[in-house]
Amino acid sequence: EIVLTQSPGTLSLSPGERVTLSCRASQIVGSSYLAWYQQSRGQAPRLLIYGTSTRATGIPDRFSGSGSGTDFTLTISRLEPEDFAVYYCQQYVSPPSTFGPGTKVEI
Amino acid sequence: QVQLQESGPGLVKPSQTLSLTCTVSGASVSSGGYYWSWIRQHPGKGLEYIGYIYNSGITYSNPSLKSRLTISLDTSEKQFFLKLNSVSAADTAIYYCARSSFTSPASPFDIWGQGTRVTVSS
Repeated sequence: EIVLTQSPGTLSLSPGERVTLSCRASQIVGSSYLAWYQQSRGQAPRLLIYGTSTRATGIPDRFSGSGSGTDFTLTISRLEPEDFAVYYCQQYVSPPSTFGPGTKVEI
Repeated sequence: QVQLQESGPGLVKPSQTLSLTCTVSGASVSSGGYYWSWIRQHPGKGLEYIGYIYNSGITYSNPSLKSRLTISLDTSEKQFFLKLNSVSAADTAIYYCARSSFTSPASPFDIWGQGTRVTVSS
């Protein structure tokens, strides 16, 4: 099973700031098989990015993803109030699909 | 517009069977080639993949749950199910059903239900 580690665990930021979140895999994950989700309080996760860098339908362009091999990042160029949430990475190259523990972005 | 909705008991006694239903609207679970999955989230924790079912009836179960898990499909084409036997407090979680983004098991999930909270307690 591929283990995903996310850092940092929590980020305290202000609206308008730029943020970069990290996801590291215990084995190589092909760039086609890494996704990012946003989970707001009390809500189901929402797919933001798949295939490392492709935005899902309706996701604003302030969200971007990059990376390869075992190291991946999610960048939010300018935090909006609705972006304060928990972010999870997911690998789906190797069953069972696994998720990272999440990074909380708080005000 | 495809929507998913989980339903089932909110409280299950230890050692009993947890049964959940995911009702799909706007699509058929027996056509289209998508994979229909269950995912859970323990209180205050991250996400754990449970397993999927394909329209042919092929299933995949997370090895950590495989001995206790059954995922099935309703021939009415609008529902799929999760049954987890011999539950314990460790199975207390929010359970989500979700659809794969692509017609492949190697896929993220673009459509999620709102989740149903299940507590295992006597």
